[in-house]
Amino acid sequence: NAGVIQTPRHKVTGKGQEATLWCEPISGHSAVFWYRQTIVQGLEFLTYFRNQAPIDDSGMPKERFSAQMPNQSHSTLKIQSTQPQDSAVYLCASSFATDYAEQFFGPGTRLTVL
Amino acid sequence: GQQVQQSPASLVLQEGENAELQCNFSSTATRLQWFYQHPGGRLVSLFYNPSGTKHTGRLTSTTVTNERRGSLHISSSQTTDSGTYFCAIKGGQKLVFGQGTILKVYL
Repeated sequence: NAGVIQTPRHKVTGKGQEATLWCEPISGHSAVFWYRQTIVQGLEFLTYFRNQAPIDDSGMPKERFSAQMPNQSHSTLKIQSTQPQDSAVYLCASSFATDYAEQFFGPGTRLTVL
Repeated sequence: GQQVQQSPASLVLQEGENAELQCNFSSTATRLQWFYQHPGGRLVSLFYNPSGTKHTGRLTSTTVTNERRGSLHISSSQTTDSGTYFCAIKGGQKLVFGQGTILKVYL
C-alpha cells in the first residue's frame, strides 16, 4: 500500500495561471478530503467527497477553486487565475467513510505563485 | 464553529526528558486524532483516540471527552522526536486542527 499519492510535489505558477493538483487515495477508501496548510492560517479544511460525490465544500474559496472526483482512484483540485495568496501546501487525505474512521494524509503539493 | 487550542506553542527539551502536549477543544461530540509532521514532511497519524488512553512505544495519548481535552505524552524524548505535533478533532467528517506544538529535542 503506497498510501495517499499526490502529484506534483511542487508546482510553481505565474500569477493568473491555472494549477491542477492530483490526489490518488488509498485503495478501498471511499472518503477523500482536501486541506490547505500555510504558516499564517495553519491547516484548513477545503472540501470532502464520499463515494465520489461532493459532500462538503464549506472551506473552498467561492471563486477560482474547484474540485472533482471523476472516479474512485483520483481527485483533482483546480485553481484558476492563481494569486500569490494561494501559495500553500495542499494536502489530500483519505479514509473509510465511517464516523470513526482515521484519516491518512498524502505528502502534499507545495504550490508557489510568483 | 469548533475550535482546537494546543499548548504549549513550542517546547525545548534535552534528550531523555519527558514531554506533555495539551489539546483543548470546544465540543464534546468529537473524536481526537494526533499527528506528527517533520519540517517539510507529511502529516503522520500517531493516534486516533476518541476517548481513554492508548499507548504506542514511548507515546501515550489520553482523551477525556467530557472535559473537552486530550494530551500526548512523550517519554524519554529523542532528537528524532523533533517536529510539530498537531491535534485535530473530527467534526462530522472533516478534521479541525489546532495550531500545533513545535518540539525541539537537543542532545
